[in-house]
This record gives sequence, structure tokens and C-alpha cells, in this order.
Amino acid sequence: EAGVVQSPRYKIIEKKQPVAFWCNPISGHNTLYWYLQNLGQGPELLIRYENEEAVDDSQLPKDRFSAERLKGVDSTLKIQPAELGDSAVYLCASSSVAGSYNEQFFGPGTRLTVL
Amino acid sequence: QKEVEQNSGPLSVPEGAIASLNCTYSDRGSQSFFWYRQYSGKSPELIMSIYSNGDKEDGRFTAQLNKASQYVSLLIRDSQPSDSATYLCAVNDAGNMLTFGGGTRLMVKP
Repeated sequence: EAGVVQSPRYKIIEKKQPVAFWCNPISGHNTLYWYLQNLGQGPELLIRYENEEAVDDSQLPKDRFSAERLKGVDSTLKIQPAELGDSAVYLCASSSVAGSYNEQFFGPGTRLTVL
Repeated sequence: QKEVEQNSGPLSVPEGAIASLNCTYSDRGSQSFFWYRQYSGKSPELIMSIYSNGDKEDGRFTAQLNKASQYVSLLIRDSQPSDSATYLCAVNDAGNMLTFGGGTRLMVKP
């Protein structure tokens, strides 16, 4: 079974530029998550999708971040414009069971560097 | 604010010893508990899940949960240098929100 796929793996941009990350979850997983991980810290949730619906986006900085999950499969996370403090690893995860017993599986992440 | 606390380490153990990693959490309504292993430069990898009080064993790994004390731990028996990594404790509440601790860095010395 293929795991969570993310692209690109690395991205270097100048501040104020836009950037987008793409995620393809494990086949059949209806729940998709975007996390941000800073060095030396645990992942922090940005947004959670149940199929096409964003059910938890309270931690997403909506002035510059946006996300979509059209057709309930792939998802894209966008930052516009990027700031120096956005440099981090952006992780996508998916799970197959809604509810508190679900197990989340992570993709390889996208390491973003904003110069 | 739901919190998950871990000692950042590093925890250093000799090869073949038992490594004990600990985690406390603040939300008494937490339903399920996970341990992830993260190698440097890689993404978190799920290694253990535990949902009820007591012990759960999987190979060299044992997860222990005590909901009354809001405490979860991971024991690694016969530690190997390849176990050297950061171990993240994650706690899932009834609303399907996963909160991670900051991780404990484990170093297994040959």
C-alpha cells in the first residue's frame, strides 16, 4: 500500500512570494491533516478535512494561508505571501477512521525555507 | 490549552539496555494515545497505539497507559543504535484532535 505522498520535498523562496504544497493521502483515507513542524518541536495542526469539508481550521492563519481538498482526495496548502517565520516543515497526514481511535500516517513532508 | 509534556532529553542508554520514555497530558477527556518515532530529517512514523489502561506489547516495544495519573510511557527493550531518534508522544481527544509533545531524543550508544 502506497503511503502519503507530498510534493515538493524542498522549497526555497524569497519572502513575499507565494508557495503551494500538494498532498495525496493513502488510498481510502477520508481524513486529511496538514501540520506544521518547527525544529525541535512536535507537529502542530493547521487544518483537518473530513472528505471535502474543513472541520477544524482554527489554527490556520487565514490572512495568508489557504487550503483546499477538491473531490475529497488530494489537497493543496498555499501561503501567500510567505514570511520569514513560515520556514518550517509542512507535514500531511491521513487516517481512515473518523473518531478518536484513528491512527494518523504522515507523508515525508515539505521543508520550506523563506529567505 | 491541552498540553502534552515530554522531557526533551537527550536520554542516553547503552546498547542492550531498556530505554524508558515518559509523557504526561493535561486533558482528562483524552481517548487514545500514540508514540511516533522520528529520525533526523524524516517525518514521524507511528510505532505504537494504546487505548486502555495497562500495557501493550509489540516486539521490543511496550506502551503503558495510566489514565488516572494522565501518564503514558514507552519502553524499548534491548535498545539498538538504530533506535536512536526522537520519540513523539501524541494524545487524541474525543474531538479527533491530535496534540503532540515536543519529543524526547534517544541516543543508544554501542
